[in-house]
Amino acid sequence: AQTVTQSQPEMSVQEAETVTLSCTYDTSESDYYLFWYKQPPSRQMILVIRQEAYKQQNATENRFSVNFQKAAKSFSLKISDSQLGDAAMYFCAYRGFQGGSEKLVFGKGTKLTVNP
Amino acid sequence: KAGVTQTPRYLIKTRGQQVTLSCSPISGHRSVSWYQQTPGQGLQFLFEYFSETQRNKGNFPGRFSGRQFSNSRSEMNVSTLELGDSALYLCASSLGGSVNTEAFFGQGTRLTVV
Repeated sequence: AQTVTQSQPEMSVQEAETVTLSCTYDTSESDYYLFWYKQPPSRQMILVIRQEAYKQQNATENRFSVNFQKAAKSFSLKISDSQLGDAAMYFCAYRGFQGGSEKLVFGKGTKLTVNP
Repeated sequence: KAGVTQTPRYLIKTRGQQVTLSCSPISGHRSVSWYQQTPGQGLQFLFEYFSETQRNKGNFPGRFSGRQFSNSRSEMNVSTLELGDSALYLCASSLGGSVNTEAFFGQGTRLTVV
């Protein structure tokens, strides 16, 4: 079974600074997708960024980028120029191809605080 | 376009009762997945429906069941409620049918069992 581990329950960053959230996963599949979701206090889960395992190039979405190390099964999220609105729970998630299911496996989450 | 709609937003039930939660996916989306979110266990996959068929199921007891209608709307039912069922229940919809689809989440239903 696939597992996703986020080793940092809480992180804090100063506004305008850069922060990196860690995520490791375990799988025997060779093709899969990895995601970072953001959950603000409103509870709405919002997709931040996604990475296809077969792509070597790291995904980037504006201030958000990932460092995907397939051999190490590591998938960290870097937030540059942090803003107050970035404060939220961040979840790393895995989705495999087996059975064509849309099932996502989530990590426990990292609570990010942004200090003004 | 309208997002994923979950109703009700909040629910308080008594132990032993049953409850039905509803999820209306984004128009055109055929896959609906359900997740339970608790502080202790985090986000856990309950089940996924695609074109009215359950395509995958998580490790939850048979008290948790679901279904999907022809318009892709989905319902989740929990019978004989226990205190431990108190959680945020999230629904996600996606186009389905392809591995490269994005899941969009609703705002969830907060269930409290007393």
